Amino acid sequence: DQQVKQNSPSLSVQEGRISILNCDYTNSMFDYFLWYKKYPAEGPTFLISISSIKDKNEDGRFTVFLNKSAKHLSLHIVPSQPGDSAVYFCAARGAGNMLTFGGGTRLMVKP
Amino acid sequence: EAEVAQSPRYKITEKSQAVAFWCDPISGHATLYWYRQILGQGPELLVQFQDESVVDDSQLPKDRFSAERLKGVDSTLKIQPAELGDSAMYLCASSLDHYGYTFGSGTRLTVV
Repeated sequence: DQQVKQNSPSLSVQEGRISILNCDYTNSMFDYFLWYKKYPAEGPTFLISISSIKDKNEDGRFTVFLNKSAKHLSLHIVPSQPGDSAVYFCAARGAGNMLTFGGGTRLMVKP
Repeated sequence: EAEVAQSPRYKITEKSQAVAFWCDPISGHATLYWYRQILGQGPELLVQFQDESVVDDSQLPKDRFSAERLKGVDSTLKIQPAELGDSAMYLCASSLDHYGYTFGSGTRLTVV
């Protein structure tokens, strides 16, 4: 049973436009959500996070939105740049500081 | 900037052989995690250590996998015998607080 799902395996966006990556979860006990970015042959790197008591967190070009009632979060990247092309994982924190990851979305930003 | 060190970066091994991966977390990070990422999927937790103690190894296939962190610093993950389905990236991460992990670059294992 997947507790964290990213239903879009891939997304293609034109440079300069907005990229929206989505993530759904089922466990209402998750209290913290994170987005990681991963390049091939490298480990995931932390991008941005949000506490379950907030609905928005912004850091430069990256904004994460949380809709607790819908158990849905999204990552907005604007404007998108070719260097943003990578696999993005959402993760949710549960008991014992354990992170549960979604399956990832491959973002391709075309010049 | 502090990093989580992992070695080797790449490993090719034959089916039924033993293989081991090493991880050195960021200094001072008490919590260490081993994750496995199969291509096209998200990372899945194998084992979590708090200092030298195992906190969670419920997803570790204990018939063939073992993990240790004897002095509460670096850690070793072993597979014996390796199977074709073990081909994946093995990621180590460490954390200091409750707000996310720092991952190493991973070990890409190919079992042939």
